Amino acid sequence: GIQVEQSPPDLILQEGANSTLRCNFSDSVNNLQWFHQNPWGQLINLFYIPSGTKQNGRLSATTVATERYSLLYISSSQTTDSGVYFCAVEGDDKIIFGKGTRLHILP
Amino acid sequence: DAEITQSPRHKITETGRQVTLACHQTWNHNNMFWYRQDLGHGLRLIHYSYGVQDTNKGEVSDGYSVSRSNTEDLPLTLESAASSQTSVYFCASSESGGKLFFGSGTQLSVL
Repeated sequence: GIQVEQSPPDLILQEGANSTLRCNFSDSVNNLQWFHQNPWGQLINLFYIPSGTKQNGRLSATTVATERYSLLYISSSQTTDSGVYFCAVEGDDKIIFGKGTRLHILP
Repeated sequence: DAEITQSPRHKITETGRQVTLACHQTWNHNNMFWYRQDLGHGLRLIHYSYGVQDTNKGEVSDGYSVSRSNTEDLPLTLESAASSQTSVYFCASSESGGKLFFGSGTQLSVL
């Protein structure tokens, strides 16, 4: 089946810093989504991005489907950005998640 | 507003008991999914459904079952609860090829 790998597994940054999270996948996929799990456990859909680039405030995402990766950019980090970021791909008739990147923003 | 609701939020049960976790969505989505989340494993797919009377096994389906009798509900049943099934369970729904939306999760402890 499709393998999804995220890097780095953990990231600690000072408030105001920028960061780039990566998601690699092993096969062609129909779509890709990014999620943020906040410290209370809620999973929020950030982007639905099968290809191209999208922006939402300080967050943006780029998916290069032909090279099988996606990047999530967070600019001017805030403490509320802390949590775990997951990417998920749809392929093989199901949605598969990576293991996530745990981001901790220090005040 | 449309939403996806899981109940109960917390559940403690004993080994060997049957347990059912509820999931109800008002998005009118065809696709519904159950995941479990464990430290070090991320979110793993248990079962999923692409419509009424349709159910499919995910990567960790042993010991779990689902049924889809209407569009809104996909209950997850643990036939005989085991300590290895202590986890946080998330239900999700989407339209075909669309964005995935999650419920708030159920924390299940099997003692």
